[in-house]
Amino acid sequence: AQSVTQLDSHVSVSEGTPVLLRCNYSSSYSPSLFWYVQHPNKGLQLLLKYTSAATLVKGINGFEAEFKKSETSFHLTKPSAHMSDAAEYFCVVSGWGGSYIPTFGRGTSLIVHP
Amino acid sequence: SAVISQKPSRDICQRGTSLTIQCQVDSQVTMMFWYRQQPGQSLTLIATANQGSEATYESGFVIDKFPISRPNLTFSTLTVSNMSPEDSSIYLCSALTSGQVEQYFGPGTRLTVT
Repeated sequence: AQSVTQLDSHVSVSEGTPVLLRCNYSSSYSPSLFWYVQHPNKGLQLLLKYTSAATLVKGINGFEAEFKKSETSFHLTKPSAHMSDAAEYFCVVSGWGGSYIPTFGRGTSLIVHP
Repeated sequence: SAVISQKPSRDICQRGTSLTIQCQVDSQVTMMFWYRQQPGQSLTLIATANQGSEATYESGFVIDKFPISRPNLTFSTLTVSNMSPEDSSIYLCSALTSGQVEQYFGPGTRLTVT
């Protein structure tokens, strides 16, 4: 079994300040972890992925995430928010337990103020 | 990577009717999935579309309500049958390519049932 918890439903930041979106997971398998972004009325775009290689993963648009097994966390960060970062962000855990099983977090809405 | 298109992009349907959503991938993929995203919610997996055999449905979803076809490695359809207003959602198709663990998503079909 697996699950993912996004700890904040909304995060509000000012443009130019750091972004932190929190994600905790549980998995019975060796997990793969992902962050996807969904802009209003758009499909989902992959930001970054962790697949048991380097624990610090760099993604697109300046985002990165660190896999911490001891804390079962995969938090998403960005040093400086841009207005275009305003969107919904989903943390996803997947693994193989006989079949491929993806599980989505509830989503975190990132609000960026000018 | 894979580029996924869906048709229709949106539709408004009457209660009691059915709608078939098409998903086309630009390359052969190993797995295809159908998700539902209700307004303001995260994604819920409906089923895994299996090529040449019956789809694998998640708990709470049944074949009579959501029949799925996958005749080949690049195409799948989802039918939403006997619709009610509660079926108003965005329906997304996704795919997994060989050797990769991240899903690629279509742009979604926005369904409104009146």
